[in-house]
Amino acid sequence: SAVISQKPSRDICQRGTSLTIQCQVDSQVTMMFWYRQQPGQSLTLIATANQGSEATYESGFVIDKFPISRPNLTFSTLTVSNMSPEDSSIYLCSVEGGRRGVETQYFGPGTRLLVL
Amino acid sequence: KQEVTQIPAALSVPEGENLVLNCSFTDSAIYNLQWFRQDPGKGLTSLLLIQSSQREQTSGRLNASLDKSSGRSTLYIAASQPGDSATYLCAVKAGTASKLTFGTGTRLQVTL
Repeated sequence: SAVISQKPSRDICQRGTSLTIQCQVDSQVTMMFWYRQQPGQSLTLIATANQGSEATYESGFVIDKFPISRPNLTFSTLTVSNMSPEDSSIYLCSVEGGRRGVETQYFGPGTRLLVL
Repeated sequence: KQEVTQIPAALSVPEGENLVLNCSFTDSAIYNLQWFRQDPGKGLTSLLLIQSSQREQTSGRLNASLDKSSGRSTLYIAASQPGDSATYLCAVKAGTASKLTFGTGTRLQVTL
């Protein structure tokens, strides 16, 4: 299994500002995933972050709005840029663990963001 | 495009009841299916993982089944307890390097 921590756990921000969310994993992983969960909704994948390369973004998400860093195999950051109230969500970091064929997804506790 | 639906959206049962949560997916070509639990304001906890070649998985009072051909999975919870109250999410994966597609979730309330 993997233990994932995120900082901050929650924040209230003003529109137009940016927030950087940190994700730390207790083991080395190849891929880290960033998800968004809007109020009352399920999870949507924002991007996949591999160490040493640019993140791969899903349809509807762009690097200018959600820049991601992946400096090493245990850490990643997601920045929510130029925030608007529509960005109010829970942002979750995730990694995959387990042997091939039985890969399990593990999630951090999430960062609750409220944009005023 | 894979779509995952969960029924019901919300469920309230008295303690001790057995219950079934449903998950359906539109593309039967999946690699695996995973059930998660999410407590209010928290992250997700993995409950059960079913590989595409498997029919079911069990963990304690939980049993998950998979019928790929019909695009369905069920999560059976036996002898429900108030501590089971949470949102339950299913997610499917198309391949080894593919993303998870999540369902809409079922919010479960187990009352005393």
